[in-house]
Amino acid sequence: SAVISQKPSRDICQRGTSLTIQCQVDSQVTMMFWYRQQPGQSLTLIATANQGSEATYESGFVIDKFPISRPNLTFSTLTVSNMSPEDSSIYLCSVEDRVEISNYGYTFGSGTRLTVV
Amino acid sequence: AQKITQTQPGMFVQEKEAVTLDCTYDTSDPSYGLFWYKQPSSGEMIFLIYQGSYDQQNATEGRYSLNFQKARKSANLVISASQLGDSAMYFCAMRDLQTGNQFYFGTGTSLTVIP
Repeated sequence: SAVISQKPSRDICQRGTSLTIQCQVDSQVTMMFWYRQQPGQSLTLIATANQGSEATYESGFVIDKFPISRPNLTFSTLTVSNMSPEDSSIYLCSVEDRVEISNYGYTFGSGTRLTVV
Repeated sequence: AQKITQTQPGMFVQEKEAVTLDCTYDTSDPSYGLFWYKQPSSGEMIFLIYQGSYDQQNATEGRYSLNFQKARKSANLVISASQLGDSAMYFCAMRDLQTGNQFYFGTGTSLTVIP
């Protein structure tokens, strides 16, 4: 199955600043997905990142707040911009894994635990 | 409408006992996949087990098994011989295979294994 390296694993940031989260996959993948998990909540899809095109954002998420880059088929970044305490969450990247999970599932990165103070 | 429902916010189980975590789902698609993930306090999401809607037998992966009751639209996770390391959040998820890549997650169940 795909292996995803996500960093940083955690960070504490000042409000008003920005943080860029990186995900590196050990194989080429068409789509990468970015999720947010607010404290005590389930996962919410932020956007889908395709190589060579603009990311597709879900309702409630905008590019100015969560710009995404996808420069190649193994790498993506998510930036959380102009942070406020409400952005304190775990952010996870994922890829569709067609090797181990019966062709239909997802593998996740290890997550970035962000605290905004 | 809620696609995945996990009605147990928290569960406790004695070490070495079995525990069942409930999950019901809602879909009109005939083709879908059901997943369980484990999230320890570190935050990573660990895939545990998968069940396809057309699979005739319940999925098993080591100490994990999925009690799939298609008519009742339930996909309960059974963990046998619980270990202290099983203490974590557990999320049930579904993917409608005919409607693209959307993945639906439940709200999770927090499992605590008591020594």
